[in-house]
Amino acid sequence: GENVEQHPSTLSVQEGDSAVIKCTYSDSASNYFPWYKQELGKGPQLIIDIRSNVGEKKDQRIAVTLNKTAKHFSLHITETQPEDSAVYFCAASWEGSQGNLIFGKGTKLSVKP
Amino acid sequence: DVKVTQSSRYLVKRTGEKVFLECVQDMDHENMFWYRQDPGLGLRLIYFSYDVKMKEKGDIPEGYSVSREKKERFSLILESASTNQTSMYLCASSWVNEQFFGPGTRLTVL
Repeated sequence: GENVEQHPSTLSVQEGDSAVIKCTYSDSASNYFPWYKQELGKGPQLIIDIRSNVGEKKDQRIAVTLNKTAKHFSLHITETQPEDSAVYFCAASWEGSQGNLIFGKGTKLSVKP
Repeated sequence: DVKVTQSSRYLVKRTGEKVFLECVQDMDHENMFWYRQDPGLGLRLIYFSYDVKMKEKGDIPEGYSVSREKKERFSLILESASTNQTSMYLCASSWVNEQFFGPGTRLTVL
């Protein structure tokens, strides 16, 4: 079955710097790759997603890139702010998954003022 | 806005007790999920349901059961709670791919 590896497990950056989180997946049939942000005391919330027919997607300060050949995708956060501090999860899904997502183990991002 | 609610934010139970965790969604979603979240292990799927009265085992179903009698409600049952079931439990619902999560229930089994 599908397996998603996520790195790093923790990441600390200075406010204003960029942060990059990387994920790899094993099943070439996967075609949907969302990123979730979990703030303290809350459930994860979708922040951006990408489908396999697209190589890059941006939404203000966040962007996701996908390399299907290498089976990896990355989350890029520019001009980080303290409110970006949270745990980030990548995930993968495929046609016919009935909404199932396979999650990475998460990255705890700390943005220092 | 989609809303997924969970019956309790914090719960303390004793070993051997039967525990019910309730989840309700208000967006008529077909699919509902139960996860447990532990430090360093990410989100692990316990059970999911893609329709009323339907259930499928996830990666770690042992020690748990579920019930889905109505479309909006998905219950997780710990038949006989054990200390190794102390964890954060997250419920989610989805239509197609995007999952919407509840705030979680932190369960402590003493």
